[in-house]
Amino acid sequence: DTVLTQSPALAVSPGERVSISCRASEGVNSYMHWYQQKPGQQPKLLIYKASNLASGVPARFSGSGSGTDFTLTIDPVEADDTATYFCQQSWNDPYTFGAGTKLELK
Amino acid sequence: EVQLQESGPGLVKPSQSLSLTCSVTGYSITSNYWGWIRKFPGNKMEWMGYISYSGSTSYNPSLKSRISITRDTSKNQFFLQLNSVTTEDTATYYCARSELRRAPFDYWGQGVMVTVSS
Repeated sequence: DTVLTQSPALAVSPGERVSISCRASEGVNSYMHWYQQKPGQQPKLLIYKASNLASGVPARFSGSGSGTDFTLTIDPVEADDTATYFCQQSWNDPYTFGAGTKLELK
Repeated sequence: EVQLQESGPGLVKPSQSLSLTCSVTGYSITSNYWGWIRKFPGNKMEWMGYISYSGSTSYNPSLKSRISITRDTSKNQFFLQLNSVTTEDTATYYCARSELRRAPFDYWGQGVMVTVSS
């Protein structure tokens, strides 16, 4: 299976820029997607196919990367962005998810 | 708008079968792809499988001998059955939609917590 590696946690101050990384154990083309999940809620799609903003998602969120290295950027970070962020690939079977990066605000 | 809602027992005994229903409103399950994803305690997420607009299925090989996804198009529902469960199947189970094969999951249900315990 394709293993997706994310850093476990990050802490930033409101107004700053934060980048969350996701590294795949093998190439996933551009089929990397990003989700935000808050406690008690379902995941919400933020970015699809590496760099495309999902409908209704603020332009503060952006994605980049291809192949094996991908980044989700939030600029500027707001207090409401406190959540866990997951990457997910759908190029290789089975689809897999990263372990999530917990974003905390200082 | 597409809405999904999971339902089913919150407690299942080891060795028994876990059965969940996903009820979909606002969109026909005879279009797109409809999947099940679970989130274990500690945050790990696992794609379990999907049923397509045509009724074809694809499963995670790690579950292939235990999982079945079916549907009832007349009720616009699809179902998950997981056999021979153990405590390691304790998780929150989500149903979700993908517009195309290999597309992201753009609509999710709220999730249902299932505990496997005697």
